Amino acid sequence: DVKVTQSSRYLVKRTGEKVFLECVQDMDHENMFWYRQDPGLGLRLIYFSYDVKMKEKGDIPEGYSVSREKKERFSLILESASTNQTSMYLCASSLEVGTGEKYEQYFGPGTRLTVT
Amino acid sequence: DAKTTQPPSMDCAEGRAANLPCNHSTISGNEYVYWYRQIHSQGPQYIIHGLKNNETNEMASLIITEDRKSSTLILPHATLRDTAVYYCIVRVLRTGNQFYFGTGTSLTVIP
Repeated sequence: DVKVTQSSRYLVKRTGEKVFLECVQDMDHENMFWYRQDPGLGLRLIYFSYDVKMKEKGDIPEGYSVSREKKERFSLILESASTNQTSMYLCASSLEVGTGEKYEQYFGPGTRLTVT
Repeated sequence: DAKTTQPPSMDCAEGRAANLPCNHSTISGNEYVYWYRQIHSQGPQYIIHGLKNNETNEMASLIITEDRKSSTLILPHATLRDTAVYYCIVRVLRTGNQFYFGTGTSLTVIP
């Protein structure tokens, strides 16, 4: 089974702190994604990466950065956490297209981040 | 990518079929329709996908209209464990693509 793990299930940080959220997948997937989920807004894409050291902005990249130094690991960085970044953060991975039309994203369990 | 429209919530009696509609009137010929669901406190999970033909797997059936402007996900015998948010997504398969999940339909299966 594909496994996507996230470093923490719950995290509490103070305003202005630098926050690292880590995501690791064990299936050699090319693509990795970071989403945030807020009530009434659904899942919104922050950043994604289709290869090591490659990244693309999603819908809401402001206030975030990412790092992908190894294929299996994708990090989300909040340079200076703010209270409006309190949210559930979900990481996902998928194979590259061309391996079949069943383009399935596999999600981690999520990290609930609270910024106080 | 085409935008989808789903009702925000639906109820279904346990054991009955749950029919979840999705409108995607601006879908183009090379866009697939995908359905995912998210059970509370978990990440979204793939259910089924299709292009033109109706599809069925062990979880659900997907009915796509002939003009492809709408689709329906059918859970044939809903159980309490099917209570979840269901997302309809249309997507072109290309390198580096991404999903836009939207807000989905919150399905409640009632005992």
